[in-house]
Amino acid sequence: DAGVIQSPRHEVTEMGQEVTLRCKPISGHDYLFWYRQTMMRGLELLIYFNNNVPIDDSGMPEDRFSAKMPNASFSTLKIQPSEPRDSAVYFCASSLSGGATDTQYFGPGTRLTVL
Amino acid sequence: GEDVEQSLFLSVREGDSSVINCTYTDSSSTYLYWYKQEPGAGLQLLTYIFSNMDMKQDQRLTVLLNKKDKHLSLRIADTQTGDSAIYFCAVRRDYKLSFGAGTTVTVRA
Repeated sequence: DAGVIQSPRHEVTEMGQEVTLRCKPISGHDYLFWYRQTMMRGLELLIYFNNNVPIDDSGMPEDRFSAKMPNASFSTLKIQPSEPRDSAVYFCASSLSGGATDTQYFGPGTRLTVL
Repeated sequence: GEDVEQSLFLSVREGDSSVINCTYTDSSSTYLYWYKQEPGAGLQLLTYIFSNMDMKQDQRLTVLLNKKDKHLSLRIADTQTGDSAIYFCAVRRDYKLSFGAGTTVTVRA
């Protein structure tokens, strides 16, 4: 398996633009997680899905952020409009189940820079 | 939410042992994890320990858990240059993982 795939790997955009980050989880994994990593706040869970359904979005910073999972093999995280403080590395992870010992496999991340 | 704290930097000589420490606040955490992040890459799970265990050993890695003090440590024996990375402590409650800020380990020759 190719692992969790994220695109793009790098995104540079201007303030006010819409940004869409994409994730393809590992085939057969029922859980998908979106994380954000910054120097100031470290690694934060934004939202996670189980069987394509959002379960907990309490980590989503504000209404400018939205996430969807239209099918088992694809998820998007959208920021509209983007702001400089959204600059961060965004990671997608997936796991086979939500069990405590079940490993979350992380993608390589998307480095977002908002100018 | 859960507070997880780690020291930010550790420098170790090649061949020596590395010890990375972590403290957390939520005593109801069920599983505790150590992840490794190499430059430009995502996080890789190294090992985990269940909260009713004191110690777990996996090849060069030893995890110690002091539940009373809410203290977790990762020891890497015979540290190699390939061990240079950022190491994250994470604790689990329900389905959520809370991560520490990460400890940057630098291995010098």
